[in-house]
Amino acid sequence: GAGVSQSPRYKVAKRGQDVALRCDPISGHVSLFWYQQALGQGPEFLTYFQNEAQLDKSGLPSDRFFAERPEGSVSTLKIQRTQQEDSAVYLCASSLQGGGLYNEQFFGPGTRLTVL
Amino acid sequence: AQSVTQPDIHITVSEGASLELRCNYSYGATPYLFWYVQSPGQGLQLLLKYFSGDTLVQGIKGFEAEFKRSQSSFNLRKPSVHWSDAAEYFCAVVSNTGGFKTIFGAGTRLFVKA
Repeated sequence: GAGVSQSPRYKVAKRGQDVALRCDPISGHVSLFWYQQALGQGPEFLTYFQNEAQLDKSGLPSDRFFAERPEGSVSTLKIQRTQQEDSAVYLCASSLQGGGLYNEQFFGPGTRLTVL
Repeated sequence: AQSVTQPDIHITVSEGASLELRCNYSYGATPYLFWYVQSPGQGLQLLLKYFSGDTLVQGIKGFEAEFKRSQSSFNLRKPSVHWSDAAEYFCAVVSNTGGFKTIFGAGTRLFVKA
């Protein structure tokens, strides 16, 4: 496809379960970003990859959150031992070149995570 | 710390009327500012961006925004709103703290009435 895709689109987890959210960026895009968007809020930065290197993970809220991009394309955001406060939409974005400053970020539709 | 404030949680305008969505930022240097639109079930789409130069920037779908340093504002405008413009609008600034964070405002939901 031409855009950023994310799967699953919806995920319901019981508290304490582990979840894995997938992001397929636009082919050839160097940069990849993860954001968390709580209900009624703007997206909040979680982490940034340039190719396979995770250059900034300062937004990850706890050590239960882990992201990887082993081959510099597909990325997975993993949340261990989910809590109710993890319920949110998780957005992925990619951009063509390194750094998000001058390059448009293209966003996926998001994964809505609900933790019961 | 950098921050973005969108004072209006929601705004309702009549179709064909003009629109202005407010955005104020807190930033120590020259900001890099963006406006995004988010329609239900859709990803965020970039409307326009400001890096430097002309303070009035044109975007897609007939939107424009004006950067006013003295007021720390970057308000989004459209002269005539269409029903399809109903969506959530986010103002954003790129962090200058050495990372690559984009800091978003809380958003303004636009309702368009016939």
